[in-house]
Amino acid sequence: NAGVTQTPKFQVLKTGQSMTLQCAQDMNHEYMSWYRQDPGMGLRLIHYSVGAGITDQGEVPNGYNVSRSTTEDFPLRLLSAAPSQTSVYFCASSYSATGVPNNEQFFGPGTRLTVL
Amino acid sequence: RKEVEQDPGPFNVPEGATVAFNCTYSNSASQSFFWYRQDCRKEPKLLMSVYSSGNEDGRFTAQLNRASQYISLLIRDSKLSDSATYLCVVGSGNTPLVFGKGTRLSVIA
Repeated sequence: NAGVTQTPKFQVLKTGQSMTLQCAQDMNHEYMSWYRQDPGMGLRLIHYSVGAGITDQGEVPNGYNVSRSTTEDFPLRLLSAAPSQTSVYFCASSYSATGVPNNEQFFGPGTRLTVL
Repeated sequence: RKEVEQDPGPFNVPEGATVAFNCTYSNSASQSFFWYRQDCRKEPKLLMSVYSSGNEDGRFTAQLNRASQYISLLIRDSKLSDSATYLCVVGSGNTPLVFGKGTRLSVIA
């Protein structure tokens, strides 16, 4: 199993450009999520999905869109990149959104995004 | 009050030392508790779940105190390879997991 894969690993954008960060998992997990991690801020939830066709907003959803057409894929779209979106983005998946019952959340290796 | 709070550290300890981290959570309905480890520039990975009766995995011991709403992680006989950021994670049963900002540990030779 590849686990959770993310592409690209690094990306530089100019302000106003759009792009899609890809995330895929091969563990048949229903729950997938996107986080951003900034120095001193910890992991902040952007959007999440509890199954194909179902998405919801997390703590910091503005400027990002998601869709979940298949169980395996959960792309994150930046509509019009801004310097404030410079961050490391992690995709994660697990059997359950809430950790109940106890289960592990698997993370991808991350995408390091710089917006100039 | 933040949902999950941790001392950011850094904790600088010599090899062989015992070090403990605490984490407090605000939601009394929380039902699941975890410690994740994150190495520099890497993704977080599950270190251990925390059970009501406390649990141990080798040199690592996790404790839960529901009355005071905190969990702890004790690392005995610290190794250089234990240097990382340790994330406290709490689940409430009807909302996504909440991550603390992490406690940074540096084990020094």
